[in-house]
Amino acid sequence: GAGVSQSPSNKVTEKGKDVELRCDPISGHTALYWYRQSLGQGLEFLIYFQGNSAPDKSGLPSDRFSAERTGGSVSTLTIQRTQQEDSAVYLCASSFRGRAYNEQFFGPGTRLTVL
Amino acid sequence: DQQVKQNSPSLSVQEGRISILNCDYTNSMFDYFLWYKKYPAEGPTFLISISSIKDKNEDGRFTVFLNKSAKHLSLHIVPSQPGDSAVYFCAATGARGSTLGRLYFGRGTQLTVWP
Repeated sequence: GAGVSQSPSNKVTEKGKDVELRCDPISGHTALYWYRQSLGQGLEFLIYFQGNSAPDKSGLPSDRFSAERTGGSVSTLTIQRTQQEDSAVYLCASSFRGRAYNEQFFGPGTRLTVL
Repeated sequence: DQQVKQNSPSLSVQEGRISILNCDYTNSMFDYFLWYKKYPAEGPTFLISISSIKDKNEDGRFTVFLNKSAKHLSLHIVPSQPGDSAVYFCAATGARGSTLGRLYFGRGTQLTVWP
């Protein structure tokens, strides 16, 4: 499809397990963003990739969170040793250029539940 | 610290009437503001934006007003339609410092338009 896709759509895991969330941005978009939305909260910025530049990781809440972007396209967000407070909807977005003035297109999100 | 605030978690409006959604921000480096609309189980979609050099931007039934001195913006929907029922997120960004390339979101307002 033409939009941003994310997988899985839902993930239930046990506390302490590692999880990987995948994002396929729109083809040709150079910028990719990860956000999360916890219950009753707004979208919280996590990390931002722009082309071949070093990613802006300033929003990652702890060192249990990491992300990579391979070949300037697909991105994987990894959460190690998951905790219950990690439960949230994780949203990926991409844009044509790495400025928020350019519209960010969001995927449908991955709902993560940590038991 | 929430730099973008939407103090009304919900708003209920009759079809045909005006919906007014409010947003306040604290960071004076923000100079571009966006509204996103989100349906359940979908990612947010861009609705309308405004630059800080303007105080009004109109697109069909949607108008965004910006009051820089008050650090306040509002989204007006006229006339409201049942299909407008969704969560509306206010977002802000800027061209300098920590605001560059990032969107800061409010917690959202659930709009319900009833017949």
